[in-house]
Amino acid sequence: KNEVEQSPQNLTAQEGEFITINCSYSVGISALHWLQQHPGGGIVSLFMLSSGKKKHGRLIATINIQEKHSSLHITASHPRDSAVYICAVGGGDDKIIFGKGTRLHILP
Amino acid sequence: DTGVSQDPRHKITKRGQNVTFRCDPISEHNRLYWYRQTLGQGPEFLTYFQNEAQLEKSRLLSDRFSAERPKGSFSTLEIQRTEQGDSAMYLCASGGDRDVPYEQYFGPGTRLTVT
Repeated sequence: KNEVEQSPQNLTAQEGEFITINCSYSVGISALHWLQQHPGGGIVSLFMLSSGKKKHGRLIATINIQEKHSSLHITASHPRDSAVYICAVGGGDDKIIFGKGTRLHILP
Repeated sequence: DTGVSQDPRHKITKRGQNVTFRCDPISEHNRLYWYRQTLGQGPEFLTYFQNEAQLEKSRLLSDRFSAERPKGSFSTLEIQRTEQGDSAMYLCASGGDRDVPYEQYFGPGTRLTVT
């Protein structure tokens, strides 16, 4: 069993829909990252959180430490949100363990 | 731009050749990480430096791979006698900001294709 599991693996939605991507992990962590990877491959860090909830624009990330679960939400989705979204856990001096990613495709 | 930079962004090489990638971390970051991402997979940890000391190496890092960070600033990752299985995206990240100790900042990656 992978230490970081994401669901769904693939998601196609219409523009404007509310998107939720889930991440469950089985290891103790100091921080959880949500990353965005576009087709060119470069990774952009969206959020780093260790508790509660964070919001940047249309993106919201939540984490429940007790349940070892995090969600990434996108409100009013847009085709430019199409990318792979990766959950990763770790932080500090620990190496990061990555999920396999969720491929999101937003249709116009 | 004061983010993490990597060079080159793309590299195509023939099997058996040696390649070297460079990563320039955010200045003053004392930690530097290398990751590898193969097609359809999430990135996997390769190695990690605290200043110039290489503190951990993954089993994925075979004898053909070597990483250095000689002055505790930029780092190089060399692959000798490349194989087709080495084709991947190689990602570098840095961390160690005193105000945000847990965060890693990722570079754009170097995409290696071995033909």
